[in-house]
Amino acid sequence: SQTIHQWPATLVQPVGSPLSLECTVEGTSNPNLYWYRQAAGRGLQLLFYSVGIGQISSEVPQNLSASRPQDRQFILSSKKLLLSDSGFYLCAWSVGLDNSPLHFGNGTRLTVT
Amino acid sequence: GNSVTQMEGPVTLSEEAFLTINCTYTATGYPSLFWYVQYPGEGLQLLLKATKADDKGSNKGFEATYRKETTSFHLEKGSVQVSDSAVYFCALSVAQGAQKLVFGQGTRLTINP
Repeated sequence: SQTIHQWPATLVQPVGSPLSLECTVEGTSNPNLYWYRQAAGRGLQLLFYSVGIGQISSEVPQNLSASRPQDRQFILSSKKLLLSDSGFYLCAWSVGLDNSPLHFGNGTRLTVT
Repeated sequence: GNSVTQMEGPVTLSEEAFLTINCTYTATGYPSLFWYVQYPGEGLQLLLKATKADDKGSNKGFEATYRKETTSFHLEKGSVQVSDSAVYFCALSVAQGAQKLVFGQGTRLTINP
């Protein structure tokens, strides 16, 4: 069966520090991968998605970047965190197109101080 | 553009009460519609989906009908339980090479015994 792992679960970082969140998927090949952010009191916003190795699409301009160095690995990064980067970050995967559902990890709670 | 508007929360009900969480959408093209549920401290899980007009999605006693004429996808359950306490997200997808979901802001539901 397919599983998704996302870590760390909780992270507290000072403003200006770098960030690296990692997500890996097991049990499936060539998944579509996604990074979402859930800010306090708001819905989920799609940040990045990837349909293959090295292919990254950014949905919103921001202080973050994403990379996909391997088929089932998706990394969210920042060189210098801002206070506004605080939030709950969710990685997800899907296969195929159209109506296939997204499968989410348990998320990372990031607090920038 | 595509957007989803959900009933504002929080919603508090007693056990065995009837539940409705309203969701309306605007979309270009013909979206698929989803309800996701987020239990405390976890990522999102797909609850149900509908892919075309008049389809009814159902799962765990929850139901939602895709109403094209009113652009709605309201979530209902006849008798809620304490274990249904969670945040519920309505979402749509208009596939464009990847399953890019647009989420509503979420509705927090609390069921009291």
